[in-house]
Amino acid sequence: DTAVSQTPKYLVTQMGNDKSIKCEQNLGHDTMYWYKQDSKKFLKIMFSYNNKELIINETVPNRFSPKSPDKAHLNLHINSLELGDSAVYFCASSQHSRLQLGIQYFGPGTRLLVL
Amino acid sequence: AQTVTQSQPEMSVQEAETVTLSCTYDTSESDYYLFWYKQPPSRQMILVIRQEAYKQQNATENRFSVNFQKAAKSFSLKISDSQLGDAAMYFCAYGQIQGAQKLVFGQGTRLTINP
Repeated sequence: DTAVSQTPKYLVTQMGNDKSIKCEQNLGHDTMYWYKQDSKKFLKIMFSYNNKELIINETVPNRFSPKSPDKAHLNLHINSLELGDSAVYFCASSQHSRLQLGIQYFGPGTRLLVL
Repeated sequence: AQTVTQSQPEMSVQEAETVTLSCTYDTSESDYYLFWYKQPPSRQMILVIRQEAYKQQNATENRFSVNFQKAAKSFSLKISDSQLGDAAMYFCAYGQIQGAQKLVFGQGTRLTINP
């Protein structure tokens, strides 16, 4: 029943490791996003995919690589994790139509802690 | 680039009273969307209310209403009859219509409800 789901919800790892966060939406939306919420609660867009095509790539280090195998999934892979990567990562989705335009539905977030 | 500013890091209100959260934004676009999202301690991002810039009528959703002043680029949220469950971080967000549909968030306002 969950509209936008993320796994895992919590991730604790060591500096230098590589990790992935998975996101799935069952709303039939055509656009998916990754946002990062830092320790001060500030939310910022990282990436956006529309029908598996990358359309937004903000100034994010190359260590972050999104992958969209189909329009219902958008995964985030992070290489060589650094302390500053500790944050909550939110996946979101939306439908590109005038009626629904703009409304984004968020997943529960993944809290990443890099030690 | 669009920016969103919430000048009140924290607000508090007595239960059953009314509180207004402020938000200003900057854009050169004439058509866009504005949102208020709520983030309770559970971390889930919940859409509270949405306003379309081309509509002059202020949006309302039950106890939640906005005061949208397009010329002043102001978008405040009024919560009437505050309830304990309203305690959360509230984020104002700007959504562009043309091009990539990312959300630009304000810094957030932490709302406390006093019983």
